[in-house]
Amino acid sequence: DIQMTQSPSSLSASIGDRVTITCRASQSISNYLNWYQQKPGKAPKVLIYAASSLQSGVPSRFSGSGSGTNFILTINNLQPEDFATYYCQQSYSTPLTFGGGTKVEIK
Amino acid sequence: QVQLVESGGGVVQPGGSLRLSCAASGFNFSKYDIHWVRQAPGKGLEWVAFIRYDGGTKYYADSVEGRFTISRDNSKNTLYLQMNSLRTEDTAVFYCAKVAIKTMAIRPGSYSYYYFMDVWGMGTTVTVSS
Repeated sequence: DIQMTQSPSSLSASIGDRVTITCRASQSISNYLNWYQQKPGKAPKVLIYAASSLQSGVPSRFSGSGSGTNFILTINNLQPEDFATYYCQQSYSTPLTFGGGTKVEIK
Repeated sequence: QVQLVESGGGVVQPGGSLRLSCAASGFNFSKYDIHWVRQAPGKGLEWVAFIRYDGGTKYYADSVEGRFTISRDNSKNTLYLQMNSLRTEDTAVFYCAKVAIKTMAIRPGSYSYYYFMDVWGMGTTVTVSS
């Protein structure tokens, strides 16, 4: 199974900050990497697919990069509605696996 | 609008069974692959099972293989998860999620297909406790 490791597990940031979240795969997954946002009590929502493609309707302040084993989710100009938990997920092979999550909190 | 609604969760004793349902609306259910994903209290997301649009291919996480069965009735626009031999560690919110596929040209005449979960239900809670 492919292990997905996210860092940090949590971070504190202020409105307007730039935030970066890292996801590392235990083996190369090319660019078969998705990012999801989850707010408390809600279902996850896809932000980025294919490592860097923005899902329709997602604000352009979200961006993704990376290939192989190392990936980054960047949030520019952090907004109040961005405080949530973020998960990476590999779609390279089954079993599908998620990272452990990164909780973005208000500083 | 495109919607998935899970039901069937509840409290069950260890060793018991439950059947979850996921009712789809607003899209052509029979043309889409679907996953079950769960989330234990205070924990991250865990993929559980997958079924192809026609029910012809199914995959399971090792943690549920042999105990859970995914199925679908395309005539009823409904997905199911039959859960047997439930354990306390199965306690979680269970989500169904529709698969989206994006096609990208990587070079002339050659394409890659990218799969992600674009529509999720609100989840149904399963509690396994004595």
